[in-house]
Amino acid sequence: QVQLQESGPGLVKPSQTLSLTCNVSGASIGSDAYYWSWIRHHPGKALEWIGYIYYTGSAYYNPSLKSRVTISLDTSNNQFSLKVTSVTAADTAVYYCARVGYSKIDYWGQGTLVTVSS
Amino acid sequence: DIQMTQSPSSLSASVGDRVTIACRASQSISTYLNWFQQKPGKAPNLLIYAASSLQSGVPSRFSGSGSGTDFTLTISSLQPEDFATYYCQQSHNIPYTFGQGTKLEI
Repeated sequence: QVQLQESGPGLVKPSQTLSLTCNVSGASIGSDAYYWSWIRHHPGKALEWIGYIYYTGSAYYNPSLKSRVTISLDTSNNQFSLKVTSVTAADTAVYYCARVGYSKIDYWGQGTLVTVSS
Repeated sequence: DIQMTQSPSSLSASVGDRVTIACRASQSISTYLNWFQQKPGKAPNLLIYAASSLQSGVPSRFSGSGSGTDFTLTISSLQPEDFATYYCQQSHNIPYTFGQGTKLEI
């Protein structure tokens, strides 16, 4: 059974870097069949796709965030990570990692709330 | 970006009702349209992919239709566990985009 689990600080200060890791079990992030994605949900707003990464390391980002976001792979630990630099209160959200295969987002982590506040 | 617009934004219904939720894309997305159900404090759960294909494990009372710019999600007979928020999402173009959600209430 495929499972994803986010981990990382729940509180980040403004202007600092938000860093999250997604641990994947039941599937290999080295598979050529899937992309590994980050999505966030601001309270009361629509879900926002942040980006995804392929097993080759090629990453694709939402242009609205592209200058501040990096997604990377750690194949030895079957994990992938998200970094968002220069955060503001607008980056406060629930962050999900997810698997994308054949144009469908079929498995999600449980989500982790990240609050940006001093 | 492709804008996804859902209607209605909220909907009141009763157990046993037939319910339809609409989703419109700002440009043609063929059938690259997925539907999710989300309950409070939980991650979204994939119901329908490619506009009309039922995800494994999802009850058959859920169905989807449409292509191009107009899509619908239908629940044929509402069950108590179906009261949740529903989102459409396009995977035709990057960035993927979601509708604003339809909250289904008792």
